Amino acid sequence: EPEVTQTPSHQVTQMGQEVILRCVPISNHLYFYWYRQILGQKVEFLVSFYNNEISEKSEIFDDQFSVERPDGSNFTLKIRSTKLEDSAMYFCASSEAGSGNYIQYFGAGTRLSVL
Amino acid sequence: GESVGLHLPTLSVQEGDNSIINCAYSNSASDYFIWYKQESGKGPQFIIDIRSNMDKRQGQRVTVLLNKTVKHLSLQIAATQPGDSAVYFCPLLGGFKTIFGAGTRLFVKA
Repeated sequence: EPEVTQTPSHQVTQMGQEVILRCVPISNHLYFYWYRQILGQKVEFLVSFYNNEISEKSEIFDDQFSVERPDGSNFTLKIRSTKLEDSAMYFCASSEAGSGNYIQYFGAGTRLSVL
Repeated sequence: GESVGLHLPTLSVQEGDNSIINCAYSNSASDYFIWYKQESGKGPQFIIDIRSNMDKRQGQRVTVLLNKTVKHLSLQIAATQPGDSAVYFCPLLGGFKTIFGAGTRLFVKA
């Protein structure tokens, strides 16, 4: 069964460092998403991406964050200068289409620990 | 504003019993609903979906019921198993994002 894969499973970084979280969405999907979940809290929407553009983003997704689809298979989330409060699970998701009428399939997540 | 909420933060059931997890929504224009579960340390996982032109949809051991009159959604799990222990969500779907609430944590007692 096709699945969304994320690497690494755990990333440890020092405050102020840049990190790149990687995702390989399901191959025929066109819409891609990033969410985060701080320990013990809700899953929070960060950004959606379609046709090489951001479709929608939340208030959390500030100038420190960026997304990219560098090739035909990968979808990345970059945090330029990590802060302690960026420590969370980051989930990538993909869907066949958008507009809230399609199932989003989630990866297993990357745990980011900022020290 | 629009909201999706769950009636109970936790639900504890005996293994083998049926579970019913409820959800209320406020947007009467919502026409598509999804149930996700999230096991500890994992990402949200699709369980079942239903469109607003249906009242009921069945999957393997799961049934979703939609009552549009009172804007209520429920997920029924038959013969609940330890592997069903998770947090269950009926998120708000809109635009290009999914808004998750706090969910209902299901505990299955052996």
